[in-house]
Amino acid sequence: QKEVEQNSGPLSVPEGAIASLNCTYSDRGSQSFFWYRQYSGKSPELIMFIYSNGDKEDGRFTAQLNKASQYVSLLIRDSQPSDSATYLCAVIQGGSEKLVFGKGTKLTVNP
Amino acid sequence: GAVVSQHPSWVICKSGTSVKIECRSLDFQATTMFWYRQFPKQSLMLMATSNEGSKATYEQGVEKDKFLINHASLTLSTLTVTSAHPEDSSFYICSAKTGNNNQPQHFGDGTRLSIL
Repeated sequence: QKEVEQNSGPLSVPEGAIASLNCTYSDRGSQSFFWYRQYSGKSPELIMFIYSNGDKEDGRFTAQLNKASQYVSLLIRDSQPSDSATYLCAVIQGGSEKLVFGKGTKLTVNP
Repeated sequence: GAVVSQHPSWVICKSGTSVKIECRSLDFQATTMFWYRQFPKQSLMLMATSNEGSKATYEQGVEKDKFLINHASLTLSTLTVTSAHPEDSSFYICSAKTGNNNQPQHFGDGTRLSIL
C-alpha cells in the first residue's frame, strides 16, 4: 500500500498564530487530497479538499498542493483554541475510491 | 449539506450479542458507503466498501461472516457485528460519498461499541 506521511506532532501554537500542517504522499497517480479534523472521541469532519496544484482558501483555512513534490499542506490562520484537534491528511490514489489516511497531526492552540 | 447520520451512537451489550449499526445519508444519495473501525489512539482502519445493491468488498483480514454489511438503498447501509466479543469493542464509523471516485467522503458521528 502506498503511503501518506504526516508529522505526528504534537504541534503547539499560540492563539492567533498560523498553524502549518504538512503531508507527503507516495503515489504519483493520486488525484484528490483531503484534510479532515478529528476531535478526541469524535468522528472525522471534512475541512478542505483540493484537486489542482496551487492554493485553495476557505475562511481561515488554506490548502496547498504541489503534485511535483507530492506535498499537500493546510494552513490555519488566526488559530483558535477550538482548532485544537488531530488533523488527518487523506488521499485518493489513482484508480481507487478509497481514502488513504496519514496518521494525523495533533494540534494544540494555547490561549 | 452532505449530512450522514449514524445510529446508535453508543452501545453496551453482553458477549455473544449481535449488534446492528445504521448509516444514513440524509440529504444526498450515497453511491458508496464505507465502514471504518478505530481503536484508541490509532488511525481509522477501513473495514469494507459498500455499493447500493451489491455485495460489500471487505478489506484483507476483516471477516465478512462476522461483520455483515447490507446496502439496500442509496441512503442506507447497515453493519451487523454478529456474536460480538470484547475484542470487537471499538469505535465504528461510517462514511458516504456520491459521484465519482474523487468526491470527498462525509462521515457519520460514529458508534462506540462496548462488549462486556
